[in-house]
Amino acid sequence: EAGVAQSPRYKIIEKRQSVAFWCNPISGHATLYWYQQILGQGPKLLIQFQNNGVVDDSQLPKDRFSAERLKGVDSTLKIQPAKLEDSAVYLCASSLGSSGGMFLSEQYFGPGTRLTVT
Amino acid sequence: DAKTTQPPSMDCAEGRAANLPCNHSTISGNEYVYWYRQIHSQGPQYIIHGLKNNETNEMASLIITEDRKSSTLILPHATLRDTAVYYCIVRASLRGSSNTGKLIFGQGTTLQVKP
Repeated sequence: EAGVAQSPRYKIIEKRQSVAFWCNPISGHATLYWYQQILGQGPKLLIQFQNNGVVDDSQLPKDRFSAERLKGVDSTLKIQPAKLEDSAVYLCASSLGSSGGMFLSEQYFGPGTRLTVT
Repeated sequence: DAKTTQPPSMDCAEGRAANLPCNHSTISGNEYVYWYRQIHSQGPQYIIHGLKNNETNEMASLIITEDRKSSTLILPHATLRDTAVYYCIVRASLRGSSNTGKLIFGQGTTLQVKP
């Protein structure tokens, strides 16, 4: 099966500019996640969608970050305006979801988008 | 914050077993132990998970101590392609809680497999 697709793979912008990342999850996966991974650290969850609804966005810096998944399939993550500390790899992951209190499958990650803010 | 403690780095000879330890002394009864790995420039990849029994799949074995306060991931015959950062994650069950099942990554163990 096709994996999680992300684009672009690399992006370089200047601080205060805006940027958007796109993610297409595995077909049929209800849950979609965006993670931020700063160099040398593990990924940190920014936002989790279940279909087109937000489940968890507690770690999303909402003054500059936004994300949407309007039709419950693909998703975009936007940063406006970008800061130097936003330089990181942005990972998208998807999973089937859950039912009856159990995870239906594990999270499958895309290759990520490496963002450099100068 | 991550609820696990792992050594920052380990080496292993190619063809030998790699044993990666993880401490999770505050684990609760409804929490599972998950292992993911991240090869350079790729997204994390699921390896295995368990609750209290030992588990084995085509990639690895997971040994959980009886008190569940620590575990060991075993790669039986490490290859150069197993060089990666390995993350041990404690993840709560969804049952009876508002938990969303999110993964909280620590800094992991960088495993270097050497020829």
